[in-house]
Amino acid sequence: QQQVKQSPQSLIVQKGGISIINCAYENTAFDYFPWYQQFPGKGPALLIAIRPDVSEKKEGRFTISFNKSAKQFSLHIMDSQPGDSATYFCAATRAGNQFYFGTGTSLTVIP
Amino acid sequence: EPEVTQTPSHQVTQMGQEVILRCVPISNHLYFYWYRQILGQKVEFLVSFYNNEISEKSEIFDDQFSVERPDGSNFTLKIRSTKLEDSAMYFCASSEGWDHYGYTFGSGTRLTVV
Repeated sequence: QQQVKQSPQSLIVQKGGISIINCAYENTAFDYFPWYQQFPGKGPALLIAIRPDVSEKKEGRFTISFNKSAKQFSLHIMDSQPGDSATYFCAATRAGNQFYFGTGTSLTVIP
Repeated sequence: EPEVTQTPSHQVTQMGQEVILRCVPISNHLYFYWYRQILGQKVEFLVSFYNNEISEKSEIFDDQFSVERPDGSNFTLKIRSTKLEDSAMYFCASSEGWDHYGYTFGSGTRLTVV
């Protein structure tokens, strides 16, 4: 059973545009939802994370929107830049347990 | 910023050989993890380790795999008899607490089994 489903698989956005990546999860016991950014040959790096007691979290150009009732959360990248081109993974977990990752979204920001 | 360090960055081994992947977690972290990522696929959990014992493992982590914290700083993943399908990036991670505070991944070891 796929615990976390992520879409789209790939995304091309113009510089300055908004990139939106969506994830849906199965387990209502999950209590931590991070987004990771991964560049080729590197490990996943934590970008931003949210807990289910809030519906939105913003850090700079990155925003997580969280819909507990729909069991969905999304990453919005405002004013996307070519340097944002990377693979993005959503994940979900609950305290003391493994991370379940989405399948990844390859983002390309074209100048 | 504190880092999780993994060595080697790339290892090539013959099928059937044993390999040991090494990790140095962040010094004040107490929880340690191994994940793998087959090329082009998602990151998959292998095992978590706390207080010198495995706390959780996935179905991927069969008898071919073992983990060890041989001293106060290293955390190792051993694959006893490698198969072609073990070819992947292996990521070590560590966290300060059980609530994943400070959860940090290393840059990975690319294992190629030939």
